[in-house]
Parts: sequence; C-alpha cells; structure tokens
Amino acid sequence: GAVVSQHPSRVICKSGTSVKIECRSLDFQATTMFWYRQFPKQSLMLMATSNEGSKATYEQGVEKDKFLINHASLTLSTLTVTSAHPEDSSFYICSAREVGQNYGYTFGSGTRLTVV
Amino acid sequence: GEDVEQSLFLSVREGDSSVINCTYTDSSSTYLYWYKQEPGAGLQLLTYIFSNMDMKQDQRLTVLLNKKDKHLSLRIADTQTGDSAIYFCAESIGDYKLSFGAGTTVTVRA
Repeated sequence: GAVVSQHPSRVICKSGTSVKIECRSLDFQATTMFWYRQFPKQSLMLMATSNEGSKATYEQGVEKDKFLINHASLTLSTLTVTSAHPEDSSFYICSAREVGQNYGYTFGSGTRLTVV
Repeated sequence: GEDVEQSLFLSVREGDSSVINCTYTDSSSTYLYWYKQEPGAGLQLLTYIFSNMDMKQDQRLTVLLNKKDKHLSLRIADTQTGDSAIYFCAESIGDYKLSFGAGTTVTVRA
C-alpha cells in the first residue's frame, strides 16, 4: 500500500533556530500534500496544502512566513519552521494523496518538535 | 469549533464490541473516513465509506452511514487490547480537504 515517510520523527531545537521536516511519498506520486499540526489530546488542524510546483495554500491564521512549505517534486514536500519558539512545539503530521485518486489520504508518522 | 463531532472517550471490555459515533455537517461530503492513531504515531486509515453507501464491512470493522442525520459510526467487533488508540472520524470537504473530529480515545480493559 501507499507509504508516506516523514523525517525526523523527533527534533529538539533551540529557540530562534529553524527546523526542516520532510515528507516523502515512497511508492506513489502526489501532486498535493497536506501539513497538519496536532496539539496534545486534540484533533488535527490543517495548516496548509502543498502543491507541487506552485505556492502552498495556507489556512486562515497560519503564518506563511513562519511555516515555509516547499513541494519541489511529486514525492517530496518540506515544512520549515523558521525562528522557532516554544509555542511552536507540537506534533506535525503530513499526508498525501496519490495522483488520480480521489479518496484515501496516507499519513506520515509525524514529527514531534520541541523548542527549548 | 469543529464541523465533525465525536465523543471523547470509550471504555470497552476485551472481546466486546466497540461503537464509536460521529456527526458531521457537510452534506456534500463525498467520502467519510475512520483513522486510528496510536501514541506518538501518525494516522492509519482504517476504512472509508462513499457517501452513497449506508454500510460497509471490512473484517471486524463495520461502518454505518446515516446521510439524512449526518451520522457515522464505526463498530469494532471482538475488541482487542491492540485496538486501544484514538479514533478519528473525518469528512472530505470540497475536492481534497479533510475535516477531523476531536478523536475518541478507546480504552480496552481486560
């Protein structure tokens, strides 16, 4: 079945630094990938939709200069948290849908970001 | 607030059936999903149902959809300890977005 690899699974960074999270579709192509944020014991909040070869679409309230998204190929999207602060600490999850398929989103295993 | 609502907790005895309920608001949703999340992990797609269906069965899982009431349920037969997790109901919005419920934490007790 479709597999989405997300890396790293855990990262601790100092306040003010930037962190890059990768999301790869391993055995399928995805023109669209999605980035979610999950707070403890809460649901997933869609942050942005990553479109291959074009700009990401951000949800209301999400700072695009803070959360940079790049989707340079059909199998890779990256999320960079710039100038991270402790309030950015969270669980970030990506998902992807195979080209030509209109159902069934595959999720990565998530990245636990802790900013100290 | 969320457009998808589900109860937050469910405790069930091992071997019994679990039923997780969900209500959604977008009547134009084409697909509805159930995802499972174990601690510290991503989401695993359990099953989905197309909006023109009212039931789907897949091994121990049965999904019931009442489109009139916008009610979705997931029944897990013969619940096992490995079924302990958070279960998310999600509806598709428009062409590609998913809207998630808050998740139901299922605890299976021996």
